[in-house]
Amino acid sequence: GQQVMQIPQYQHVQEGEDFTTYCNSSTTLSNIQWYKQRPGGHPVFLIQLVKSGEVKKQKRLTFQFGEAKKNSSLHITATQTTDVGTYFCARATNAGKSTFGDGTTLTVKP
Amino acid sequence: KAGVTQTPRYLIKTRGQQVTLSCSPISGHRSVSWYQQTPGQGLQFLFEYFSETQRNKGNFPGRFSGRQFSNSRSEMNVSTLELGDSALYLCASSSGGRDQPQHFGDGTRLSIL
Repeated sequence: GQQVMQIPQYQHVQEGEDFTTYCNSSTTLSNIQWYKQRPGGHPVFLIQLVKSGEVKKQKRLTFQFGEAKKNSSLHITATQTTDVGTYFCARATNAGKSTFGDGTTLTVKP
Repeated sequence: KAGVTQTPRYLIKTRGQQVTLSCSPISGHRSVSWYQQTPGQGLQFLFEYFSETQRNKGNFPGRFSGRQFSNSRSEMNVSTLELGDSALYLCASSSGGRDQPQHFGDGTRLSIL
């Protein structure tokens, strides 16, 4: 189907360690969106990738879109306690509709 | 610019009752989408309204319905509530074009007793 699979489901890191979450699809994606949901909060849009091989950075966050446009990753360098939350990838399947991955929940031990 | 506003924030109902949730999108946004979030099923798409018309629909039973008003505000209704309907219901707005990011409200946490 049009699902996106995310791994890992959970990640526990020590503050200062790096973190990566991966998003995979069996079909070619026209785009991939990333969201972050803090505990008790709502998903907040982070970024959208649309081009094959695209790499975008937001401070310590690096987002990549695979060459085949079937996978994407989010890498956080030197995690901080403010990075805790669940990171979702999503594909916009139709205008106004997004299909979300199950998310990766990150916990950071100070 | 004000964000997406959902009311109420919390709701407790009993089985068999019905409930109506409200969502006011960001000013200028014409698309309103509804999602159900549960620990076991993640974020599941319910439906999307654009210019007062349901444009997209997820795989939920007919007990889940919605509508959108001329000012783009949207309501979601769930009838004959079941225990499994306990969830966080999130509303998201966007300009309505394909590939536009979704801007979420804080959600309504619905608990069914």
